[in-house]
Amino acid sequence: AQSVTQPDIHITVSEGASLELRCNYSYGATPYLFWYVQSPGQGLQLLLKYFSGDTLVQGIKGFEAEFKRSQSSFNLRKPSVHWSDAAEYFCAVGARGNTPLVFGKGTRLSVIA
Amino acid sequence: DARVTQTPRHKVTEMGQEVTMRCQPILGHNTVFWYRQTMMQGLELLAYFRNRAPLDDSGMPKDRFSAEMPDATLATLKIQPSEPRDSAVYFCASGLSLDTETQYFGPGTRLLVL
Repeated sequence: AQSVTQPDIHITVSEGASLELRCNYSYGATPYLFWYVQSPGQGLQLLLKYFSGDTLVQGIKGFEAEFKRSQSSFNLRKPSVHWSDAAEYFCAVGARGNTPLVFGKGTRLSVIA
Repeated sequence: DARVTQTPRHKVTEMGQEVTMRCQPILGHNTVFWYRQTMMQGLELLAYFRNRAPLDDSGMPKDRFSAEMPDATLATLKIQPSEPRDSAVYFCASGLSLDTETQYFGPGTRLLVL
């Protein structure tokens, strides 16, 4: 069965510090991987996606993620966090052809001065 | 700037009442998804449509939930009768059925059943 694990429920980082959010997936076929961000009271906004090719993908707002097949991971990174990055981050896996996504439980990011 | 729209944004109702949520997908998108978000379960798929035909509604309690697409510009999710455990945020998402396409989410309907 497909599943996504985000081991960290809540992470706090200082503004300007680097960030890494972990995501591990279980998927029987070639995974299509996504990171979404949700601000309080808002919908989900796509940060980046991986389908194939270069395993390091760039997204919006300075985020990047690296696909590591051997580790079944798709971790999200940002070199310098801004206060506006405080939000909930969701990793998701799906199949080709835009099929339903399976989401992780999310990681809430807090940013302190 | 094309967006998925959902109405209402907030709904408070009493147990036993009918609730209807509406979604307008992005024009031209042929795939529509309904997800539910709760603290306990996170984001779960309720149903999805392609070219207005339901492909999977296994996530919906069939006795009280129904989802339809009367036309390409409108998707509806109904709960009748509603129960307190239905309290959640309901998201609609749309996209194209192409390999590299993604889902674009609406702002959600926050439902509270008393």
